[in-house]
Amino acid sequence: EDQVTQSPEALRLQEGESSSLNCSYTVSGLRGLFWYRQDPGKGPEFLFTLYSAGEEKEKERLKATLTKKESFLHITAPKPEDSATYLCAVQSGSRLTFGEGTQLTVNP
Amino acid sequence: DSGVTQTPKHLITATGQRVTLRCSPRSGDLSVYWYQQSLDQGLQFLIQYYNGEERAKGNILERFSAQQFPDLHSELNLSSLELGDSALYFCASSFDSFNNEQFFGPGTRLTVL
Repeated sequence: EDQVTQSPEALRLQEGESSSLNCSYTVSGLRGLFWYRQDPGKGPEFLFTLYSAGEEKEKERLKATLTKKESFLHITAPKPEDSATYLCAVQSGSRLTFGEGTQLTVNP
Repeated sequence: DSGVTQTPKHLITATGQRVTLRCSPRSGDLSVYWYQQSLDQGLQFLIQYYNGEERAKGNILERFSAQQFPDLHSELNLSSLELGDSALYFCASSFDSFNNEQFFGPGTRLTVL
């Protein structure tokens, strides 16, 4: 059974304080690893797809990286508007298995 | 705005009742996915349809069923509702069955009293 574990569960940062979120996974035949952002009461918003170890993708202050067992979402100089829950998911076949998410709060 | 629409936004009903949730995928997307998100279980995959046919099944209860119509919109039917069915229900869509850049709708919040 595919499993995704995200850490930490919650993270508080000061504006401008860079950090990383972790996503560890076990999956039979990884087809892709996905990062989503979710604001309270709203649907997840797609951020990145990573397909193979060593791959990196960037978008504004976010950079996602992938190894054979985990992925990191690096947040550089975060702003209060980056506050959200960040979800990681792995694809096996055509289905996604999501982690519980990391709730990020960025204080001004 | 992801382009995926869901109705209704909120639904309040009683135990034992039956409800139908509706989803319209993004224009051009053929796959529709249903998820349940509750406070204690995170985002759980329920079922996937591709071009009208069931493609994958997750943790979907026998009391729940879904279908995808020729115009590609989908409906999730929940029957014999229990208090524990209260949750956010999300629909997502993707272009095909294996391209899993899924785009999520705004969700339907179901409250069972």
